[in-house]
Amino acid sequence: EAGVAQSPRYKIIEKRQSVAFWCNPISGHATLYWYQQILGQGPKLLIQFQNNGVVDDSQLPKDRFSAERLKGVDSTLKIQPAKLEDSAVYLCASSFTGGAYEQYFGPGTRLTVT
Amino acid sequence: GENVEQHPSTLSVQEGDSAVIKCTYSDSASNYFPWYKQELGKGPQLIIDIRSNVGEKKDQRIAVTLNKTAKHFSLHITETQPEDSAVYFCAPNNDMRFGAGTRLTVKP
Repeated sequence: EAGVAQSPRYKIIEKRQSVAFWCNPISGHATLYWYQQILGQGPKLLIQFQNNGVVDDSQLPKDRFSAERLKGVDSTLKIQPAKLEDSAVYLCASSFTGGAYEQYFGPGTRLTVT
Repeated sequence: GENVEQHPSTLSVQEGDSAVIKCTYSDSASNYFPWYKQELGKGPQLIIDIRSNVGEKKDQRIAVTLNKTAKHFSLHITETQPEDSAVYFCAPNNDMRFGAGTRLTVKP
């Protein structure tokens, strides 16, 4: 079974630039999550999708972050414009459905904003 | 939302010793209690989970115990090995609120 795929693995940008991350979840998984993990901290949920609908985006800074899940499969997370404090690892995870089911994480994208 | 606390934040043990990490949560309605392991440069990976109708679960050297009354659950690793060195996270109820993590170092 193929795992969660993410790209790119690393990205360096200057502040005020824009950046996009891509995630391909495990086939058949209805739920997709985007997390932000700042160095030394636990993952923080940014947005949760169930199929192509948003379940929870309460912690997504909507003035600069946006996300979509096309046709209930792949997803993209965008930051525009980036700030220095956005430097973090962005993790994508998927699960069979939401709630009490194992989440499978991708390797993450390490973003550095200079 | 769930308030999650993990202790200790760092733990160093000698190879072969046991390690215990505790997670305290606030939501009494929580019914699913997973532990994730994150190695350097990788995403977290589930290592063991327990549901609220069970008090303890074991998988080889790893076990999880649950105390719903006190609202905490613990990860137990016995006969630790250097490859157990990683950061461990709890995420009660898979509520997407992870603990701050415990960095475990196993010294050979």
